[in-house]
Amino acid sequence: KDQVFQPSTVASSEGAVVEIFCNHSVSNAYNFFWYLHFPGCAPRLLVKGSKPSQQGRYNMTYERFSSSLLILQVREADAAVYYCACSNTGKLIFGQGTTLQVKP
Amino acid sequence: SQTIHQWPATLVQPVGSPLSLECTVEGTSNPNLYWYRQAAGRGLQLLFYSVGIGQISSEVPQNLSASRPQDRQFILSSKKLLLSDSGFYLCAWSVAGTNSNQPQHFGDGTRLSIL
Repeated sequence: KDQVFQPSTVASSEGAVVEIFCNHSVSNAYNFFWYLHFPGCAPRLLVKGSKPSQQGRYNMTYERFSSSLLILQVREADAAVYYCACSNTGKLIFGQGTTLQVKP
Repeated sequence: SQTIHQWPATLVQPVGSPLSLECTVEGTSNPNLYWYRQAAGRGLQLLFYSVGIGQISSEVPQNLSASRPQDRQFILSSKKLLLSDSGFYLCAWSVAGTNSNQPQHFGDGTRLSIL
């Protein structure tokens, strides 16, 4: 079955680097997509691709069946839900989302 | 540039009433369109997607239906709402085709509460 797996919760302290891990069992999926979602708002694409990449404070690692999102210099304002997704023939298959908790 | 609009932003409906949520995309042609639901404490669940006018694929059996009467218009409907239909509904679009490198772009969502 095509599924994407990620932890339900990750906790971090302000100023630290936090890692959110994701792996999948999606057939023919080669790209990862990482979204940021504040409740009640539109999910926003942070970083994507089939190789390691960086967009500002967001780094994406890449392996064939797994990826990690690293957020540098975490802030309280980063507390949100982060979704990992993989693409299969144009459809995105999302994980259940990881809630990031940031301690001051 | 492309934009996506969803309305209404919030909606409170009684059980058994009908539903119509609308989504439109501007600035692109023949987009792929998607409806997602986020139930309380749950992730994003794909409900429907469409690759063209009148072409709807349903991902999960449910009380809802979708229609695409125009190229950039996507409507989510129900004849009789259930309590379990409560949630946050998101519309999204992506560039046409099955290119696996294309992201989806989301609207601001509709918060639906069923009483």
